[in-house]
Amino acid sequence: NAGVMQNPRHLVRRRGQEARLRCSPMKGHSHVYWYRQLPEEGLKFMVYLQKENIIDESGMPKERFSAEFPKEGPSILRIQQVVRGDSAAYFCASSRGHANTEAFFGQGTRLTVV
Amino acid sequence: QQQVKQSPQSLIVQKGGISIINCAYENTAFDYFPWYQQFPGKGPALLIAIRPDVSEKKEGRFTISFNKSAKQFSLHIMDSQPGDSATYFCAASSGGTNAGKSTFGDGTTLTVKP
Repeated sequence: NAGVMQNPRHLVRRRGQEARLRCSPMKGHSHVYWYRQLPEEGLKFMVYLQKENIIDESGMPKERFSAEFPKEGPSILRIQQVVRGDSAAYFCASSRGHANTEAFFGQGTRLTVV
Repeated sequence: QQQVKQSPQSLIVQKGGISIINCAYENTAFDYFPWYQQFPGKGPALLIAIRPDVSEKKEGRFTISFNKSAKQFSLHIMDSQPGDSATYFCAASSGGTNAGKSTFGDGTTLTVKP
């Protein structure tokens, strides 16, 4: 009964490269949420997705960031042309999506932009 | 996004003592208030959660106290142990299918001294 799986755990990118972060939700979960955590700060909501749909992207930066959750396969958070300020831990959470059900977090991907 | 304010930023407690972390929120639409525990290099793990229809919830050594009129809630850790040393985050969400979209506090780093 695997939990939320994120990979890679650590990712190093040079400025200007693209970063792709993957998240496989828990079995039976069809709702995925991405969060970003800067050092010494709390988690900030980025985007909420269901299969093939973006439900709420109010926390996503307007440029360079995109997310998808295809019918098959993991959810992907894509950051194009990374900059040093993108260095952070990115967490994915999943839930069943029913009313008042909790979300479970993955171990996160720590992105370092050099 | 509405803010959730958490205090203190850091807390040192002797083994066996009581750890108290406080949070205040603004958005009266919030109806689900979880607390997460995070160890270094790991994702947040749900510790205990409360809904505003009760004023207190206890699970083992962990208790949430909730004051709806003051829009405040707190986590009490009784008989604190060195293994409790971690970062604790309060959060708030509007429940429903958006239970996974939470607004987090900035965290409290708890150190329990043996």
